[in-house]
Amino acid sequence: NAGVTQTPKFRVLKTGQSMTLLCAQDMNHEYMYWYRQDPGMGLRLIHYSVGEGTTAKGEVPDGYNVSRLKKQNFLLGLESAAPSQTSVYFCASSPARGGTEAFFGQGTRLTVV
Amino acid sequence: GESVGLHLPTLSVQEGDNSIINCAYSNSASDYFIWYKQESGKGPQFIIDIRSNMDKRQGQRVTVLLNKTVKHLSLQIAATQPGDSAVYFCAENTAGGYNKLIFGAGTRLAVHP
Repeated sequence: NAGVTQTPKFRVLKTGQSMTLLCAQDMNHEYMYWYRQDPGMGLRLIHYSVGEGTTAKGEVPDGYNVSRLKKQNFLLGLESAAPSQTSVYFCASSPARGGTEAFFGQGTRLTVV
Repeated sequence: GESVGLHLPTLSVQEGDNSIINCAYSNSASDYFIWYKQESGKGPQFIIDIRSNMDKRQGQRVTVLLNKTVKHLSLQIAATQPGDSAVYFCAENTAGGYNKLIFGAGTRLAVHP
């Protein structure tokens, strides 16, 4: 049982480049999330999804887009990367019923130069 | 409230001692309060949660206390072990559902033999 898997694990982008981060979960969870974590800080919610085909904005959505075409996958896109988007990105999933526990992936370390 | 900064507060304890990690929260409307543990290079891992209508909940070696009067949450770890060394985050599960989380800044726990 893999849980939540993120790809890639590391990436370096030049300012203005675009990329997509992929998150896959095999627990059949309805809810999925993208968070970013900056040094010495807690995680901040970027976007989330409460089901296939739905997405919504979190605390810090600017500069990011997301899509959830399949229940098990949640994609995070950066259309034009900026140095301020240098961060560690975490994907998480959670069941709609059965408690508050969110399951996190291992993270993607993104550097924008 | 949540403090933001590059340097996490650190709690240093001796192996076998009890640890108490504190957190202040700001949103009185939160349904649940949750503690996560994050080891270096990994995603956060759920430890324990407490519903807003409770003031104490116990798990295996951990106890969470909630004081709504002063908006304070604490995590007590009994007989702290080297494997408990990590950054601990409190999080609020926002009212409105979907298990969206608002994280605090975190506390680093260092366990010394």
